[in-house]
Amino acid sequence: QQQVKQSPQSLIVQKGGISIINCAYENTAFDYFPWYQQFPGKGPALLIAIRPDVSEKKEGRFTISFNKSAKQFSLHIMDSQPGDSATYFCAATPKTSGSRLTFGEGTQLTVNP
Amino acid sequence: KAGVTQTPRYLIKTRGQQVTLSCSPISGHRSVSWYQQTPGQGLQFLFEYFSETQRNKGNFPGRFSGRQFSNSRSEMNVSTLELGDSALYLCASSLPGAGDGYTFGSGTRLTVV
Repeated sequence: QQQVKQSPQSLIVQKGGISIINCAYENTAFDYFPWYQQFPGKGPALLIAIRPDVSEKKEGRFTISFNKSAKQFSLHIMDSQPGDSATYFCAATPKTSGSRLTFGEGTQLTVNP
Repeated sequence: KAGVTQTPRYLIKTRGQQVTLSCSPISGHRSVSWYQQTPGQGLQFLFEYFSETQRNKGNFPGRFSGRQFSNSRSEMNVSTLELGDSALYLCASSLPGAGDGYTFGSGTRLTVV
């Protein structure tokens, strides 16, 4: 019940296209859903996060869509750029667990110029 | 301001040895968490410390331990190293809360031979 399932495992997009990464969770106690971006040799960096009281959050080219009833959330990267090529992780945590994050398996995004 | 600092960046140890990794959190952050990242298992939570007390623990054997000092710096120790312990060990610091404001360090790459 603690799992977060992420898809696809890898994604190739042309420059200017839209990248979409999906995650699904089972634990209804999860109430904070961040997305992290990781470049080789670096630790994950927080990209954008959402709480279940809203269905969408947008920050620049990055948007999280959240469907509480389906227990799914997704990351959309608009106007994808080669510099967006990285591994993306969704994560979730329940308020009661302090700072313990459960991560998805990761998506390796490649944006071709 | 300075980010999360992890030392050393790279480490090679022999099976059966023990190892200690260090993490200095962002100034003012009192919560420190540790994660193990491997290609096969992804990002897995090890433990979290807050005010020198372990607040949360993941599903790892007792060979994995940690501690936090009064200045919030943290160390993790792995005893009797196994080949499967080879991984990137990531430290993250945050203000107390449900994953908010999590900042990861660049990690320590441990190779067990």
